[in-house]
Amino acid sequence: GAVVSQHPSWVICKSGTSVKIECRSLDFQATTMFWYRQFPKQSLMLMATSNEGSKATYEQGVEKDKFLINHASLTLSTLTVTSAHPEDSSFYICSAIPTSGTGETQYFGPGTRLLVL
Amino acid sequence: GENVEQHPSTLSVQEGDSAVIKCTYSDSASNYFPWYKQELGKRPQLIIDIRSNVGEKKDQRIAVTLNKTAKHFSLHITETQPEDSAVYFCAATNQAGTALIFGKGTTLSVSS
Repeated sequence: GAVVSQHPSWVICKSGTSVKIECRSLDFQATTMFWYRQFPKQSLMLMATSNEGSKATYEQGVEKDKFLINHASLTLSTLTVTSAHPEDSSFYICSAIPTSGTGETQYFGPGTRLLVL
Repeated sequence: GENVEQHPSTLSVQEGDSAVIKCTYSDSASNYFPWYKQELGKRPQLIIDIRSNVGEKKDQRIAVTLNKTAKHFSLHITETQPEDSAVYFCAATNQAGTALIFGKGTTLSVSS
C-alpha cells in the first residue's frame, strides 16, 4: 500500500516551454502533497506544500509564478514549470501524506527527471 | 526556520561492521524524525522514523535514537551488508509541523 506515482518519469524540453508533472496517490487519499527538487549529489529541497482545494504554500526563494501547483483532487497534484530554462533541469520528486494515517509519514513518488535544453 | 545538519557526508565500512549517522536539528518544536534511504536515481524509501515522545526505536538491524534536549538523533545500522550501500537522509518536520526538512545526506559504502 501507500504507492505514489509520477508522470512523466523523464522529460526533455526546449528552453522557454512549459512542462507539467503529475503526482498521484494510487491507493490512498492525500489532502497534503509536497514537491521537492533534487540536484545531482545533493539533498531534497522542499519547494512547496500542496493542499487539496487551496493554494499551495511555497518555500522562500521559490517563484510561485514559475512553479505552478494545482491540487485539484485528493489523489492528484500537478507541478507546471513555466518558461523552463536550463537551470531548472533537475530531479523533481513529490510526496504524499495519507489522509487516514498518522499525519506525518510521507511516501515519495519515483521522481521526474527534467532536462531543459 | 528548521535547519538539519547531517554527518558524516561519506562513510565507508566493511561488511559486518556497524554504521552510525548523526543529525542535529534547530527547531525545538520539531516532533517527527524519519530516515530515508535513496539509491541512485530512485525515490527515497522510509526505513525508520521516531517521534518526539520516544527515545529509541529499533527494527531488526536498524535503530534510531533521539535526544530532544540536545536536539540530535542518530541512525545505527548493525551487521552492514553490501546492499545497505546508498545515500541516507535524515529529516525533521518544519515549523508548520507538516513538511520535512532534509539533511544533506550520507553516502554509505559497504565493502565485502
